[in-house]
Amino acid sequence: EIVLTQSPDFQSVTPKEKVTITCRASQSIGSSLHWYQQKPDQSPKLLIKYASQSISGVPSRFSGSGSGTDFTLTINSLEAEDAAAYYCHQSSSLPYTFGQGTKLEIK
Amino acid sequence: QVQLVQSGAEVKKPGASVKVSCKASGYTFTSYGISWVRQAPGQGLEWMGWISAYNGNTNYAQKLQGRVTMTTDTSTSTAYMELRSLRSDDTAVYYCARDLGGDNWFDPWGQGTLVTVSS
Repeated sequence: EIVLTQSPDFQSVTPKEKVTITCRASQSIGSSLHWYQQKPDQSPKLLIKYASQSISGVPSRFSGSGSGTDFTLTINSLEAEDAAAYYCHQSSSLPYTFGQGTKLEIK
Repeated sequence: QVQLVQSGAEVKKPGASVKVSCKASGYTFTSYGISWVRQAPGQGLEWMGWISAYNGNTNYAQKLQGRVTMTTDTSTSTAYMELRSLRSDDTAVYYCARDLGGDNWFDPWGQGTLVTVSS
């Protein structure tokens, strides 16, 4: 099973700040890495697919990069509505797995 | 628009079974699969398995093998997830998500179904 490790687990940030969340895979997964946002009491929402491909309707301040074992989700100019948990997910091999999540708090 | 609507919350006793439904609309149901993902209270996401709506093929997470069954009804564009021999640690919100299968992402997700296992 591929283990995904996110860092940090929690981050408190101010609006307009730039945020970087990392996801490290226990073995190479190419670009088979996707990012989701989950706001409180809501279901997850797809933000980025295949490490860096943007999703229609998702604000352009969200971007992704990386390949192999190291991946990054970047949020430029954070907004209050970005308070949420963020999860990475690998689809390279079964069983599909998720990172443990990163909770963003807006100061 | 593409939408997945799940059945309502359930309360079950240990040892019982639960069956959660996920009704799809806005796309050709048989062109995709459905993955099921659960989230225990205050915890992260756990993939449970996948079913092809095209031919019914399934892949289950090993830890749930023997307790979980995923099915589809193409006449109503509905997917089902049944979990048997429920334990207290099965208490979670259960989500369905559209999944093309293979190396793909999950989008969209259903609204979630809370299953509480308590004596």
